[in-house]
Amino acid sequence: TQLLEQSPQFLSIQEGENLTVYCNSSSVFSSLQWYRQEPGEGPVLLVTVVTGGEVKKLKRLTFQFGDARKDSSLHITAAQPGDTGLYLCAGVEAAGNKLTFGGGTRVLVKP
Amino acid sequence: EAGVAQSPRYKIIEKRQSVAFWCNPISGHATLYWYQQILGQGPKLLIQFQNNGVVDDSQLPKDRFSAERLKGVDSTLKIQPAKLEDSAVYLCASSLQPTGLVTGELFFGEGSRLTVL
Repeated sequence: TQLLEQSPQFLSIQEGENLTVYCNSSSVFSSLQWYRQEPGEGPVLLVTVVTGGEVKKLKRLTFQFGDARKDSSLHITAAQPGDTGLYLCAGVEAAGNKLTFGGGTRVLVKP
Repeated sequence: EAGVAQSPRYKIIEKRQSVAFWCNPISGHATLYWYQQILGQGPKLLIQFQNNGVVDDSQLPKDRFSAERLKGVDSTLKIQPAKLEDSAVYLCASSLQPTGLVTGELFFGEGSRLTVL
């Protein structure tokens, strides 16, 4: 069982559609990050959230941190082929000091 | 600003052979991480260094994996002897501060892809 469970594991949509990716845990996190990874490259940070209930927007991407700081979601509006990639959530437990990654959600946006 | 450099990009070896990966972090970054990413999974932390000291190596298979960060700059990760299940991408990352104090950004290299036959 992973500390951070991501769902769905794979998502294939048409350009222009919306999508939501979820990151859930039974643990409380002091902070949570979202990364995007493209084939053959390392993950790149998209956002960090630290406050329960926090919502951050990055152009067409909206990130939300759950009130209890146990879960997070990433919503993409009007997806484009350039949004294709592996989306990873990663968190530091409230009582820990290690950044742990979820299993990732692979997103494919077809033109 | 130069990013995290890793080499080699690809390595194919037979089981029971040894392999070493090298990482040069971003200049000034005190914290260095090695992650293992098996195909279809998220990265798993193997070892975290703060300068040249080990902060966390709880998930490093110490019977076959070793890592060092001499002089607190670049680092090497060695596997000896390799097993089939070691086939993965080995990602090196660095950050200004260690996670747990301030969750800053981790900067990743492109990774070293290992195939064990």
